[in-house]
Amino acid sequence: KAGVTQTPRYLIKTRGQQVTLSCSPISGHRSVSWYQQTPGQGLQFLFEYFSETQRNKGNFPGRFSGRQFSNSRSEMNVSTLELGDSALYLCASRERTGENSPLHFGNGTRLTVT
Amino acid sequence: QKEVEQDPGPLSVPEGAIVSLNCTYSNSAFQYFMWYRQYSRKGPELLMYTYSSGNKEDGRFTAQVDKSSKYISLFIRDSQPSDSATYLCAMSASTGGFKTIFGAGTRLFVKA
Repeated sequence: KAGVTQTPRYLIKTRGQQVTLSCSPISGHRSVSWYQQTPGQGLQFLFEYFSETQRNKGNFPGRFSGRQFSNSRSEMNVSTLELGDSALYLCASRERTGENSPLHFGNGTRLTVT
Repeated sequence: QKEVEQDPGPLSVPEGAIVSLNCTYSNSAFQYFMWYRQYSRKGPELLMYTYSSGNKEDGRFTAQVDKSSKYISLFIRDSQPSDSATYLCAMSASTGGFKTIFGAGTRLFVKA
């Protein structure tokens, strides 16, 4: 089975711009979660989607949003970029939500905001 | 105080050593405990997955959970240079929708 695929791998944006990141989960996995990873804060939970609905949300401002499509693929959008948004954004999928199954991660999108 | 505390290291050991990595947590509702390994420029990879207290062994890796002390450990036997990576503990609970909370990660270097 192919793993979680994230595109693009690297992005450079300017403050004030917006960005969209894409994630394709493992085949058969219907839940997609997004995390932000920085050296200072580690892995911080952004949100989780299942069946095109947001099921869980972390403590991030409204500039961070996401969506999930009927084929379980997900996108994450960050508007009005700030320097502090520079991070590795990781997508993870699992088979179901509402019960525990471990997360399987992609290799991330490295976002640099200048 | 963070929900999950993990010493970021770095931890440097000689090849062949036994490595002990640890995390403490504050939320007694956590039931599921995981260890991930992350190589540079890669995403975290699931190593071990355990439920509640006890031990689980997989090859050179052993995970231990002590819920009474809110303490989890990962032991690596016969460590190899290829084990050099960042190790992240993670945990989740049915309360909160099984949101997975991660430790900061411990950077491990195994020297040949």
